[in-house]
Amino acid sequence: SQKIEQNSEALNIQEGKTATLTCNYTNYSPAYLQWYRQDPGRGPVFLLLIRENEKEKRKERLKVTFDTTLKQSLFHITASQPADSATYLCALGSFNKFYFGSGTKLNVKP
Amino acid sequence: GAGVSQSPSNKVTEKGKDVELRCDPISGHTALYWYRQSLGQGLEFLIYFQGNSAPDKSGLPSDRFSAERTGGSVSTLTIQRTQQEDSAVYLCASSPGTGSTEAFFGQGTRLTVV
Repeated sequence: SQKIEQNSEALNIQEGKTATLTCNYTNYSPAYLQWYRQDPGRGPVFLLLIRENEKEKRKERLKVTFDTTLKQSLFHITASQPADSATYLCALGSFNKFYFGSGTKLNVKP
Repeated sequence: GAGVSQSPSNKVTEKGKDVELRCDPISGHTALYWYRQSLGQGLEFLIYFQGNSAPDKSGLPSDRFSAERTGGSVSTLTIQRTQQEDSAVYLCASSPGTGSTEAFFGQGTRLTVV
């Protein structure tokens, strides 16, 4: 079955720096990959989607890359702010069905 | 409503009892998902409905779990003879369907089996 790995250790960075989160997967060939943000006690909120034929996607301070050869996606937040502190989840999918990683907690310190 | 609504927000039940969790998706969304999230864990896929097609039940952990979606809208997840390991947050999401895979999640139902 598919395996999706995100760093279980929290990422601590200083405000203003770029945060980079990693999502690796095996035993799967997703048609697309999504990133979600989850705050404590809340449901995940969609951030970005990138398809298998796309290398990079940007939205404001967010950038996602998708390397289907390495089976890896990188999620970048530039000029990070304390308000960016949350857990970030990647999700891999095909045909409108998708599977989530366990998420990485990001702490942005002022 | 404007978003996905789930009820109840919290449910405490005794081991062995049956529970029903409700999800009201965004109007017009054809796809509906149920996920389960245990403490500190990622989301575990349970079941997926798409329009009038047969649901994908491949993620249901046991035959104690079932779900239905009436009229292509409201969905109910039923857990029979609850066990302590069923304790988790149950999340529902809906999506416009084919061509758009962004999922909109509800706040979840926190189920505690005592």
